Amino acid sequence: GENVEQHPSTLSVQEGDSAVIKCTYSDSASNYFPWYKQELGKRPQLIIDIRSNVGEKKDQRIAVTLNKTAKHFSLHITETQPEDSAVYFCAATLNQAGTALIFGKGTTLSVSS
Amino acid sequence: DAGVTQSPTHLIKTRGQQVTLRCSPKSGHDTVSWYQQALGQGPQFIFQYYEEEERQRGNFPDRFSGHQFPNYSSELNVNALLLGDSALYLCASSLGPTHNEQFFGPGTRLTVL
Repeated sequence: GENVEQHPSTLSVQEGDSAVIKCTYSDSASNYFPWYKQELGKRPQLIIDIRSNVGEKKDQRIAVTLNKTAKHFSLHITETQPEDSAVYFCAATLNQAGTALIFGKGTTLSVSS
Repeated sequence: DAGVTQSPTHLIKTRGQQVTLRCSPKSGHDTVSWYQQALGQGPQFIFQYYEEEERQRGNFPDRFSGHQFPNYSSELNVNALLLGDSALYLCASSLGPTHNEQFFGPGTRLTVL
């Protein structure tokens, strides 16, 4: 069935460094790729998303890139801060017809000061 | 502007019982999706409701059922509870079934003993 794989599962960086999280998806019909940040005990929050007709999108310190041919997409966080510490999930639409999302297993990002 | 709300916050049930969880979408949103998030995992899509009908369904058994009301709020019902149903149940709302951005509620933590 449809699948989203996410790597790494844990990532530790020093404050000010960059962090990169990578995902691959299996369904070539997927056309929307959001990233969510989930702090401990809280709801997932949408931080950035990208659609299949765009290769890159940036919002301040975060950026997402999409390679449809390779079915890869990545989250880039620059100048990391301790408050960036959380679990990050990538997701992709289950199929082109709907908006249901299939999620990766998450990456726990720890930023130490 | 109220975001997505869910009730109850926590719930403890025993095996074999039935449970009903509730969700009110973000103001202006008419589509509700339900996800199950096991500890340490990404959310898994259960089903989506729009115009009071189930539009999409994930790989969950018939014990999981739902309903959407004319005011767009939604219920998730789970019958014959199993220990493995213990999880955080998240509701997400969006503006229309083809509008991708989904915003999550705080979730209901269900524990089955």
